[in-house]
Amino acid sequence: SQKIEQNSEALNIQEGKTATLTCNYTNYSPAYLQWYRQDPGRGPVFLLLIRENEKEKRKERLKVTFDTTLKQSLFHITASQPADSATYLCAPPRNSNYQLIWGAGTKLIIKP
Amino acid sequence: NAGVTQTPKFQVLKTGQSMTLQCAQDMNHNSMYWYRQDPGMGLRLIYYSASEGTTDKGEVPNGYNVSRLNKREFSLRLESAAPSQTSVYFCASSGKGRTGAYEQYFGPGTRLTVT
Repeated sequence: SQKIEQNSEALNIQEGKTATLTCNYTNYSPAYLQWYRQDPGRGPVFLLLIRENEKEKRKERLKVTFDTTLKQSLFHITASQPADSATYLCAPPRNSNYQLIWGAGTKLIIKP
Repeated sequence: NAGVTQTPKFQVLKTGQSMTLQCAQDMNHNSMYWYRQDPGMGLRLIYYSASEGTTDKGEVPNGYNVSRLNKREFSLRLESAAPSQTSVYFCASSGKGRTGAYEQYFGPGTRLTVT
């Protein structure tokens, strides 16, 4: 069955450094993949989408890559700030555009 | 625009009690969803509605029912609550965003405890 894996352990990064989060998928080839941010006690918020024919997508300090050979997407935050601390979720589509498969998320902690 | 609203924010039920979680969106989206989120697990889809008048089961529909009342509102009902239904429930809606794909917009969640 389609499966999404994200690092379950929290990622601790020093302020100012680049944080890199990993999303691996198995048993299918999604046409695109979405990344969301979730703060404690709140719903996820859409950040970025990358399509299978795009190697890289950027938005301000955020960068997402999509390697269809490795079946992996990497999410980078450059010049990280304590306000970037949150859980980040990756979500490719299920069988249709209406549904997403959700990773469990990686908790990112940026230390001042 | 309020986006996606949910009520209540918190609820405590005794085993066997029933309740309805309410959700509304003002973005004119066709698709709406109910998820549950448990510690260490990804969001799991309970039910979704691709458009007004249609509903379909997701991954974990047992113990739940839904009603798509109109385009704006999508409610989730627990007929006989069980401790295994203790969770955080999120409602979401989606429409074709500027990316061309169906981005999802979430409500603030309902934290439900069943004792």
